[in-house]
Amino acid sequence: EDQVTQSPEALRLQEGESSSLNCSYTVSGLRGLFWYRQDPGKGPEFLFTLYSAGEEKEKERLKATLTKKESFLHITAPKPEDSATYLCAVPRGMNRDDKIIFGKGTRLHILP
Amino acid sequence: EAEVAQSPRYKITEKSQAVAFWCDPISGHATLYWYRQILGQGPELLVQFQDESVVDDSQLPKDRFSAERLKGVDSTLKIQPAELGDSAMYLCASRSQRSGANVLTFGAGSRLTVL
Repeated sequence: EDQVTQSPEALRLQEGESSSLNCSYTVSGLRGLFWYRQDPGKGPEFLFTLYSAGEEKEKERLKATLTKKESFLHITAPKPEDSATYLCAVPRGMNRDDKIIFGKGTRLHILP
Repeated sequence: EAEVAQSPRYKITEKSQAVAFWCDPISGHATLYWYRQILGQGPELLVQFQDESVVDDSQLPKDRFSAERLKGVDSTLKIQPAELGDSAMYLCASRSQRSGANVLTFGAGSRLTVL
């Protein structure tokens, strides 16, 4: 069964303390992996798409990387405003009507 | 910047009552999704539309949930009767058919509380 598993479920960091979030997937024929950020009470907001192993994308203090089995979201010197839930998602299917499945997310809390 | 509009933002209802949510996707987006997100969980796909047609509703509890997108633009998700376990955030998202990236744009969501 296709699955997306994120770890840890929750992470508390001090401001400036770098760390990584993990997303592992079991989907045949991966056609992209997506990271979203979700603030409390709001809809998810798109961050990155990764397509192939070895690919990296960066945005401010975030960098996403992809291997054949997992993706990491690295956060460097985080600030309190980076506190949010980070969701990983993959399309399940091989055509344009792909079903997008999400992991449960990692709740990140940055302490000032 | 184009947005996905959802209403209402909040809804409190008693169990056994009917409730409806509305979504207006970004203009020109052919694919529309309804997701349910229970607190502390990731979004779970309920139904996916391509224009006015249902592409996937395998996870939609059809005994009480219904969804329509009659003209292939805006969409309504209905629950009748509501149950306590339906308390969740209902998220609508849309995707451009011209985009091969499968990037979804989400609305702000409709938070349902069933008492």
